[in-house]
Amino acid sequence: NAGVTQTPKFQVLKTGQSMTLQCAQDMNHNSMYWYRQDPGMGLRLIYYSASEGTTDKGEVPNGYNVSRLNKREFSLRLESAAPSQTSVYFCASSELGSTGTDTQYFGPGTRLTVL
Amino acid sequence: ILNVEQSPQSLHVQEGDSTNFTCSFPSSNFYALHWYRWETAKSPEALFVMTLNGDEKKKGRISATLNTKEGYSYLYIKGSQPEDSATYLCAPLTSGGSYIPTFGRGTSLIVHP
Repeated sequence: NAGVTQTPKFQVLKTGQSMTLQCAQDMNHNSMYWYRQDPGMGLRLIYYSASEGTTDKGEVPNGYNVSRLNKREFSLRLESAAPSQTSVYFCASSELGSTGTDTQYFGPGTRLTVL
Repeated sequence: ILNVEQSPQSLHVQEGDSTNFTCSFPSSNFYALHWYRWETAKSPEALFVMTLNGDEKKKGRISATLNTKEGYSYLYIKGSQPEDSATYLCAPLTSGGSYIPTFGRGTSLIVHP
């Protein structure tokens, strides 16, 4: 099992460019999440998908869109990148999600720099 | 969004020292609390999930306690080793919401040989 995979690992964008971060899990988990991690801050939730076919905003959704393509895949799109979106992005998944006691399994992260 | 405080922000100890750090959170509507360990250049990994007041969990030299009435959890590491160097994140959640935990900023532990 690969667990949670993310592509790309690194990306540099210019202001205004768009890109999609890909995430896939092979654990048959129902719930998937996108977080960003900035220096001195905790992991902040951008969007989540409690189950296939649903998505909801988290704490910091502005400037992002998501797609739950199927049960395995959850992508994060930046339509017009801004320097404030320079961050490390983590995708995570959990088996059920809605119980609150589920463990989240994290991907390796994508380090994004917006110039 | 829960107000989650972790202290201290960072901690340097010598190999063999025992140490502890704190996670504080609002006690009202408490539902569960997760502890994660995050090593540099890796991804966060789950340590414990705790739900009941007075809960104690243990994994090797690492243990955690929970006080839901006063809104805090302690993480203890006995006889710290260099491989314990990591950032330790707590993530509580309350009932009635999305049942997704809110992560604290973490305590960075560095264990010197």
